[in-house]
Amino acid sequence: DAKTTQPPSMDCAEGRAANLPCNHSTISGNEYVYWYRQIHSQGPQYIIHGLKNNETNEMASLIITEDRKSSTLILPHATLRDTAVYYCIVRGHHPQGGSEKLVFGKGTKLTVNP
Amino acid sequence: IAGITQAPTSQILAAGRRMTLRCTQDMRHNAMYWYRQDLGLGLRLIHYSNTAGTTGKGEVPDGYSVSRANTDDFPLTLASAVPSQTSVYFCASSDSGLGRVFYGYTFGSGTRLTVV
Repeated sequence: DAKTTQPPSMDCAEGRAANLPCNHSTISGNEYVYWYRQIHSQGPQYIIHGLKNNETNEMASLIITEDRKSSTLILPHATLRDTAVYYCIVRGHHPQGGSEKLVFGKGTKLTVNP
Repeated sequence: IAGITQAPTSQILAAGRRMTLRCTQDMRHNAMYWYRQDLGLGLRLIHYSNTAGTTGKGEVPDGYSVSRANTDDFPLTLASAVPSQTSVYFCASSDSGLGRVFYGYTFGSGTRLTVV
């Protein structure tokens, strides 16, 4: 699976957009980009995933560059409750099924300030 | 039950004792996983199961065993606990496989285990 690189920490003002970058320069054609977050002491929470098109859901938007070597998770209006560690993971899907094991790196610690 | 339930939420265990961490899901997900999380090391996969009746080793399987007798339950057993197994343990599940769309994992709230 492709390795990802994320900044260890970021700060964002409450109400502003939080843009979290992720580099995955060795991503292959069938690998998806997943984003999870972990709020202190809780289990990780799935946010969004995509292959090559930009994606949006009720939590966030995912922008993937045309060459797919990097992506950005956007929280449009960050709140204090968005303070968490955000993980970017690249993983392929197995056409024959099987375990979709995810490998978590160290992620980005996002702090939303009042 | 909604999602994944882990029990106990926390436990202090004497070294050398046997302990089973319980994990139950009500989503009929075919795949289940156990991770441990340690400060500075992130989440590491211990064992996984693609479907009921099958299991596989993850990144750090030594000292742990799992079973998957049915779809819903995936217990993790420490046969003889050691202090290095002090950690927060997370169980997760996913719905994946041929013909299915993978939407990611659902995690439980974790079990905080201290081995003394």
